[in-house]
Amino acid sequence: GENVEQHPSTLSVQEGDSAVIKCTYSDSASNYFPWYKQELGKRPQLIIDIRSNVGEKKDQRIAVTLNKTAKHFSLHITETQPEDSAVYFCAAPSSGGSYIPTFGRGTSLIVHP
Amino acid sequence: EPEVTQTPSHQVTQMGQEVILRCVPISNHLYFYWYRQILGQKVEFLVSFYNNEISEKSEIFDDQFSVERPDGSNFTLKIRSTKLEDSAMYFCASTLGQNTGELFFGEGSRLTVL
Repeated sequence: GENVEQHPSTLSVQEGDSAVIKCTYSDSASNYFPWYKQELGKRPQLIIDIRSNVGEKKDQRIAVTLNKTAKHFSLHITETQPEDSAVYFCAAPSSGGSYIPTFGRGTSLIVHP
Repeated sequence: EPEVTQTPSHQVTQMGQEVILRCVPISNHLYFYWYRQILGQKVEFLVSFYNNEISEKSEIFDDQFSVERPDGSNFTLKIRSTKLEDSAMYFCASTLGQNTGELFFGEGSRLTVL
């Protein structure tokens, strides 16, 4: 199965609503958990990340929470805006001691005005 | 702000032809990567490169693929004999250290194999 699983695959919200995307990973040794945003036709860009020594990190409307026991981390976007519409990818090292970031399948977020 | 740059932005080739995609990583970064993204799908790891050699590679990175750092600044991905299924966006990325943080991606090279 997948080392990094991401849900949901698509998420449609109204402007102003909150959006939550969840990612689970398998390697308990993982200690760095980023989220990337990819707008249509563009490169993935880091929007927020968290390290395993903290449980939550916020940056304005974006937050990431980490549950190391359950091996999942989530992206939270509050007060969504149409420009938040994009594909969001989580990443975590693949299993077996690798440090290589393995990406989830992505979540297509659509924010309706 | 330093950026990873890639050329060409788009290449169209015939099946069976060789293709070389070029990347210039951020100058003080030590780890370099190639990822591939088939249209509408996730970003897939191909290969990582450190200290002038491959450090890891995925199952996708078979004998048709090779990487090289020919001159200390460029980092190239070569596909020897392209197949239709090689059509994808190829992203180069670099990081300062291993597992130390953000992957800095280039704009990508879109490869279309006819």
